[in-house]
Amino acid sequence: AQKVTQAQTEISVVEKEDVTLDCVYETRDTTYYLFWYKQPPSGELVFLIRRNSFDEQNEISGRYSWNFQKSTSSFNFTITASQVVDSAVYFCALKSSWNYGGSQGNLIFGKGTKLSVKP
Amino acid sequence: DVKVTQSSRYLVKRTGEKVFLECVQDMDHENMFWYRQDPGLGLRLIYFSYDVKMKEKGDIPEGYSVSREKKERFSLILESASTNQTSMYLCASSSQTGNNQPQHFGDGTRLSIL
Repeated sequence: AQKVTQAQTEISVVEKEDVTLDCVYETRDTTYYLFWYKQPPSGELVFLIRRNSFDEQNEISGRYSWNFQKSTSSFNFTITASQVVDSAVYFCALKSSWNYGGSQGNLIFGKGTKLSVKP
Repeated sequence: DVKVTQSSRYLVKRTGEKVFLECVQDMDHENMFWYRQDPGLGLRLIYFSYDVKMKEKGDIPEGYSVSREKKERFSLILESASTNQTSMYLCASSSQTGNNQPQHFGDGTRLSIL
C-alpha cells in the first residue's frame, strides 16, 4: 500500500524563525516521485517541487529547502527565515511509476500541515 | 504557465438539485482529476480521466458522475445534491509525458448545499 503521513497537523511560528515540515511516505515501488504543494488561504494548490526516487540530492530554492532521505522514507521541507506570506497549508504527495489498475498519474496526498507565521 | 480554470469560486445550491462543476485546462493535458477537500480529511479523489470520453472512479465516487467530451474540459456532476456534498472541490490536470509530471490545480470551487 502507498501512504503519505504528515504528522504535524498545525505549526505556529514567529516571523524569521526556521520551520521544518515533515513528510514520511510508504511505498513498495523502487521508482516513485515525491511532490510538495502549497495551498494559501485563497485556495489554489501551487506546485512547489518534484523529486525522483533515484535522485537523493537535496535542493535549495531561496528560503526553501528539501531534504530527501530514502533510508528513512522522508521528504522534509524547511523554510528558512519564515515570512507571513508563507502561511498556508502544505501538502506532501507521492506518485508511483507503476500503473495500478489505471491509476497512472494519481497522487497520494498527505493530510497537510497548516503553517501559521505570525508577525 | 499551465492554467486550470474552474467555472465558479463559490456556488450555493439546494438539496436535490443537479449541479455541474466545470473545469477547463489550456495545456493539452491528457489527465484530468476531480478532488474534494474537507477539514481533517485532506484531498480525496472523486474521479479521474486519462483521455476523452474515458473516466475512472477514484476513492469516493458515490453521488458523483463526470463527463469528458473534449480533451480540455472535465465536468463533475452531482446528480442529486445533498448537504454532505458541501465541500471545496478542486480540479487538476497533468501531462502523460514521463511519469514524474506534477498535477496543476485550479482555484477551487466552494460549494454549499442548503
